[in-house]
Amino acid sequence: GAGVSQSPSNKVTEKGKDVELRCDPISGHTALYWYRQRLGQGLEFLIYFQGNSAPDKSGLPSDRFSAERTGESVSTLTIQRTQQEDSAVYLCASSGQGGQPQHFGDGTRLSIL
Amino acid sequence: QQPVQSPQAVILREGEDAVINCSSSKALYSVHWYRQKHGEAPVFLMILLKGGEQKGHEKISASFNEKKQQSSLYLTASQLSYSGTYFCGTDGSGNTGKLIFGQGTTLQVKP
Repeated sequence: GAGVSQSPSNKVTEKGKDVELRCDPISGHTALYWYRQRLGQGLEFLIYFQGNSAPDKSGLPSDRFSAERTGESVSTLTIQRTQQEDSAVYLCASSGQGGQPQHFGDGTRLSIL
Repeated sequence: QQPVQSPQAVILREGEDAVINCSSSKALYSVHWYRQKHGEAPVFLMILLKGGEQKGHEKISASFNEKKQQSSLYLTASQLSYSGTYFCGTDGSGNTGKLIFGQGTTLQVKP
């Protein structure tokens, strides 16, 4: 596709369940980022992948959060044992290389009941 | 450390100018600016690099004072389409693109 694609666009789940969010970056982009945006707030950095290097996980808020990326393609963000404070929009972005303009997907709106 | 943006919100009439400031307590390699309209994804506006190089594609200008660790975004002759929330993202890690974003400045342009 021409842009960054995220799925699902909306996810409603019960507290305690696990969720998996998917991001398809722009083809050829080596850098991929995950952010969290709570209602009315700024973007909170979660994790950064660059090529085959070890990811920068310094923004993950707890060990319930994890992310993987297959080569330079799809990434999945997994949240285990979801809590109500996990409710937010999760945004994925990719760039040609680290430091270049980031192209954002439309996000996944996660609601924890 | 999250950068601080000011003002938090501004209302303009079409044709008026605005300045949005971004200040960091850490040394910066670059500053990125993005605009987000309600319910949409953030859109890239500009990158300012240490050393003065500037990359952007819209009719918006910006400055980056490395010593003061500050950046300003200048919106001149504002149009209705400029409405949205503006975020600065700071990269102190050597141009990795790992950005720490400010809380945003909401701009509303009225006819």
